[in-house]
Amino acid sequence: GDSVTQMEGPVTLSEEAFLTINCTYTATGYPSLFWYVQYPGEGLQLLLKATKADDKGSNKGFEATYRKETTSFHLEKGSVQVSDSAVYFCALRGYGQNFVFGPGTRLSVLP
Amino acid sequence: KAGVTQTPRYLIKTRGQQVTLSCSPISGHRSVSWYQQTPGQGLQFLFEYFSETQRNKGNFPGRFSGRQFSNSRSEMNVSTLELGDSALYLCASSDQGANGELFFGEGSRLTVL
Repeated sequence: GDSVTQMEGPVTLSEEAFLTINCTYTATGYPSLFWYVQYPGEGLQLLLKATKADDKGSNKGFEATYRKETTSFHLEKGSVQVSDSAVYFCALRGYGQNFVFGPGTRLSVLP
Repeated sequence: KAGVTQTPRYLIKTRGQQVTLSCSPISGHRSVSWYQQTPGQGLQFLFEYFSETQRNKGNFPGRFSGRQFSNSRSEMNVSTLELGDSALYLCASSDQGANGELFFGEGSRLTVL
């Protein structure tokens, strides 16, 4: 079945550092890809998404590009802030299928 | 537009009891999904309802059940609670059925003693 693999962390960075969280997937067909973020005590919020190969999703300074050839959807941000501390989930959804989530990556940003 | 609302936010039960959790989706959304989140297992899919019909079901025992009403509100029920059922239960709604993004509520945190 479909699956998502991502670095589990925790990832600890200093403010203004560059962030990469790797995500790779296994799926039949051409799923849509998502990054969700969960702040402490809250539910998940959609951060960005991409629905086809080579699409780049972006939001709040975060970016991820749908790479079909490497089955990857790595999350990047050029300069993280303390407020970015959260758990990040990579996910995929095939058409008409359930969402499949990765295990989540906890990010801590230190001032 | 109001977001996804889950009640109650926190609850404590003892083993053997049953619990019912409620979810009100975003207005106009007809798809409601439920997830269990635990530190050890991450996010696990429970079931999805669309227009009052269960469309997909995850790999959970029959003690976990759900339903959806004509106004798209959904409930999930867990009977004969076990310690391992302690978790954050997340509800999510979607407006595009088969291929849309999920909008999550803040969750119901269940503790089983």
